[in-house]
Amino acid sequence: LAKTTQPISMDSYEGQEVNITCSHNNIATNDYITWYQQFPSQGPRFIIQGYKTKVTNEVASLFIPADRKSSTLSLPRVSLSDTAVYYCLVGASGAGSYQLTFGKGTKLSVIP
Amino acid sequence: NAGVTQTPKFQVLKTGQSMTLQCAQDMNHEYMSWYRQDPGMGLRLIHYSVGAGITDQGEVPNGYNVSRSTTEDFPLRLLSAAPSQTSVYFCASSYSQGSRANVLTFGAGSRLTVL
Repeated sequence: LAKTTQPISMDSYEGQEVNITCSHNNIATNDYITWYQQFPSQGPRFIIQGYKTKVTNEVASLFIPADRKSSTLSLPRVSLSDTAVYYCLVGASGAGSYQLTFGKGTKLSVIP
Repeated sequence: NAGVTQTPKFQVLKTGQSMTLQCAQDMNHEYMSWYRQDPGMGLRLIHYSVGAGITDQGEVPNGYNVSRSTTEDFPLRLLSAAPSQTSVYFCASSYSQGSRANVLTFGAGSRLTVL
C-alpha cells in the first residue's frame, strides 16, 4: 500500500497560487494519484487525478515528476472558498489492493 | 441521480447498544467502503467491498461488521457501541477497475455519539 505524506497545514493570501505537495515514495506501477477536497461537515470530493506528467482541469493542475514519487496539486489564485482540507490518495487500478487509505491531509487556510 | 446516500445523519447511542448505519448508491459502482474521521486523524478505512457477497477489512475493522447483499447497499453495523466509536462516518463508492477505481464518491456523513 502506497503511504502518503503531506504538510499538515498551509496558509495563503487570497489571489495567490498555492502548491501542495504529496510524497508517495513506494508508489506502484499501476497506481493513480487522486486529490480530494473536504469542507467542514461534508464528505470529501474529487478534484483531479493523474498518472504522470501534468493534468489540468477547470479547478486545479496536478504535476507528477517522471519518478512519480511525489505529486503537486496547484490551485491558481485561491479565494476564501478554497479554505479546506486537501487529501492525496494513491491507489491501484483495481488489479491489486483495494485498500484505498488516505493520509491526514493538508489544511489550507486562505487569508483575506 | 442521488449519488451516495447515508442514513441517519446524526445518532446518539448508549454504550453497549447496537445500530446500523445505512449506505446506498445508485451509480452501479462495484466498490464501496466505510471510513471514520476523527479530529486530526484524517480518514481511516473500516471495511470495503468490491462487489455483492465480497467484503474485506480495512485499517480499523474491530467493533464493526459489514455485508454486501446487493450492489447498491453496504450497511455498517456496530455490534456493541463504545465511546471510542464516537466519530463521523463516511461511506464512499467507485468503479473497481482502471483509473476510475480511485475516484470515490462520498456520502454526506453520519455523526455518531456514544455516551
